[in-house]
Amino acid sequence: NAGVMQNPRHLVRRRGQEARLRCSPVKGHSHVYWYRQLPEEGLKFMVYLQKENIIDESGMPKERFSAEFPKEGPSILRIQQVVRGDSAAYFCASSGGQAVGYTFGSGTRLTVV
Amino acid sequence: SQQGEEDPQALSIQEGENATMNCSYKTSINNLQWYRQNSGRGLVHLILIRSNEREKHSGRLRVTLDTSKKSSSLLITASRAADTASYFCATDAYQGAQKLVFGQGTRLTINP
Repeated sequence: NAGVMQNPRHLVRRRGQEARLRCSPVKGHSHVYWYRQLPEEGLKFMVYLQKENIIDESGMPKERFSAEFPKEGPSILRIQQVVRGDSAAYFCASSGGQAVGYTFGSGTRLTVV
Repeated sequence: SQQGEEDPQALSIQEGENATMNCSYKTSINNLQWYRQNSGRGLVHLILIRSNEREKHSGRLRVTLDTSKKSSSLLITASRAADTASYFCATDAYQGAQKLVFGQGTRLTINP
């Protein structure tokens, strides 16, 4: 049973480029959550998706950030025109429908140079 | 302001001693969970305590929850060097909210 798979583990982008982070949930989980962790801080909620639907995006910056969870394939967190402040670890989690059943991935560490 | 504040921010103790970390939160909750994060790694779920529970044990871990004070504590007994990590509490809000709200974490160092 594979857990939540995130790739890439590390991503380096120059300012202005696009970053695409992928998350494959636990098999059978249809709920995906994205969190961001700045250095020396806790995780901050970004967005909650179910298959093909965004349920809660209250933590997403209004510009440049988008997320999707298509019917087939992984969930994608997309950051356009990255800036240095986007440098962080981005974690994905999945569940079968309750916050108590979260499984976290190992994260993608984005560095913007 | 941030729900789920841990204290202390950093804690350094000798191997074999007990480590206690505290977490406070602001709103009504369904559950409170504790996670561990080793440096540069993902989160590992340690223990969950429901809002109607007051104390829970798992191996060397003991968690308490005081909903009247909106606070929780995590006790690690007989600490080991491998317990060195950051520890976070996370709450999910009452009335079905799916997201977890994390505190800033406590960085625990166990000295051999």
